[in-house]
Amino acid sequence: NAGVTQTPKFQVLKTGQSMTLQCAQDMNHNSMYWYRQDPGMGLRLIYYSASEGTTDKGEVPNGYNVSRLNKREFSLRLESAAPSQTSVYFCASSGGGLAKNIQYFGAGTRLSVL
Amino acid sequence: EDQVTQSPEALRLQEGESSSLNCSYTVSGLRGLFWYRQDPGKGPEFLFTLYSAGEEKEKERLKATLTKKESFLHITAPKPEDSATYLCAVQAGGNEKLTFGTGTRLTIIP
Repeated sequence: NAGVTQTPKFQVLKTGQSMTLQCAQDMNHNSMYWYRQDPGMGLRLIYYSASEGTTDKGEVPNGYNVSRLNKREFSLRLESAAPSQTSVYFCASSGGGLAKNIQYFGAGTRLSVL
Repeated sequence: EDQVTQSPEALRLQEGESSSLNCSYTVSGLRGLFWYRQDPGKGPEFLFTLYSAGEEKEKERLKATLTKKESFLHITAPKPEDSATYLCAVQAGGNEKLTFGTGTRLTIIP
């Protein structure tokens, strides 16, 4: 049981380049989330999707776009990367049964923008 | 705006030396308080959810408690493998979003 899988694990970009971070979950969860984690800032929500076909902004959405491709997959796109987007990005999912509000996290994508 | 503050930022303990981590929160309509463990280079791992004041949950050497203003994560006779960053988060209002604190980095010295 893989849980939440993120790709890639590491990425280096130059300022202005674009890339898409991929996330897939195999727990049949309805809700999926993208966070970024920076030293001293804690985890901050970028975007979330409460169900297939819906997305909403979180605390720090500027510079990002998301796509909920289907129930399993939720991608995060940086159209024109900036050094301020250097961070560790985590995808999470939740939903289903008695533990429906518990979020389960992937291993993260470590992104450096030069 | 929901706020979560964790203290201390870092804590070093000798193996077997018990202590507590604090998570104070300000929210409107708490639905749940969550504790996660995060090891270096990995994603947060779920530990506990607490829903109402007075509730307690235990897992091995860890016990989480909740009041109307704060939660404590008590660690009893810790071992080096308990070294990690412990994150607290709250869920409030009518949505599923979590607001996280900045974490407590715990180091257990053999």
